[in-house]
Amino acid sequence: SYELTQPPSVSVSPGQTARITCSGDALPKQYAYWYQQKPGQAPVLVIYKDSERPSGIPERFSGSSSGTTVTLTISGVQAEDEADYYCQSADSSGTHVVFGGGTKLTVL
Amino acid sequence: QVQLQESGPGLVKPSETLSLTCAVSGYSISSGYYWGWIRQPPGKGLEWIGSIYHSGSTYYNPSLKSRVTISVDTSKNQFSLKLSSVTAADTAVYYCARLTPNWGLDYWGQGTLVTVSS
Repeated sequence: SYELTQPPSVSVSPGQTARITCSGDALPKQYAYWYQQKPGQAPVLVIYKDSERPSGIPERFSGSSSGTTVTLTISGVQAEDEADYYCQSADSSGTHVVFGGGTKLTVL
Repeated sequence: QVQLQESGPGLVKPSETLSLTCAVSGYSISSGYYWGWIRQPPGKGLEWIGSIYHSGSTYYNPSLKSRVTISVDTSKNQFSLKLSSVTAADTAVYYCARLTPNWGLDYWGQGTLVTVSS
């Protein structure tokens, strides 16, 4: 079955830039989405269609795509950004939703 | 504003069927979009269960397909999940969500914890 691969954890100091990657063979053909999830809360969409930012999401969140890898970048990380981040896409047929395993972002 | 709300029993016995409903407000299911179920076991990641269109067209996670049924009731503006023959491994927070045309998930319910235990 199709998989998306994320690093389990990323750590940064406040004010630095955090980059979280997500790899998958179908990413050149399917859009990627990123979600932020804080403890006890539902996931929140922070990036859609690889690099678009929903209204209400701070400008420090951005997304990019290159080949089979997509990247979520958080510039000027703040303490409130500490959370789990999940990438999500579809398989090559475009009929099945797939999630990455999640990355825990720790703000030191 | 689109809102989704899950409801159903919080405790299900092993081998029985888990049943949940997602009530949608602020948008008519009949107007379009796919609608889906996602779950998250305690301390673990997100897992897609399946999705349904207002016409009744469905897609299921292959790993759960034999036990899952998702249905839609446009008259009540809600859709439902049934998962049969549950075990402790099905204990999770279950979310419902709306899928965008390119299969992102833009609106989520708050989630409901379902525990499988005798």
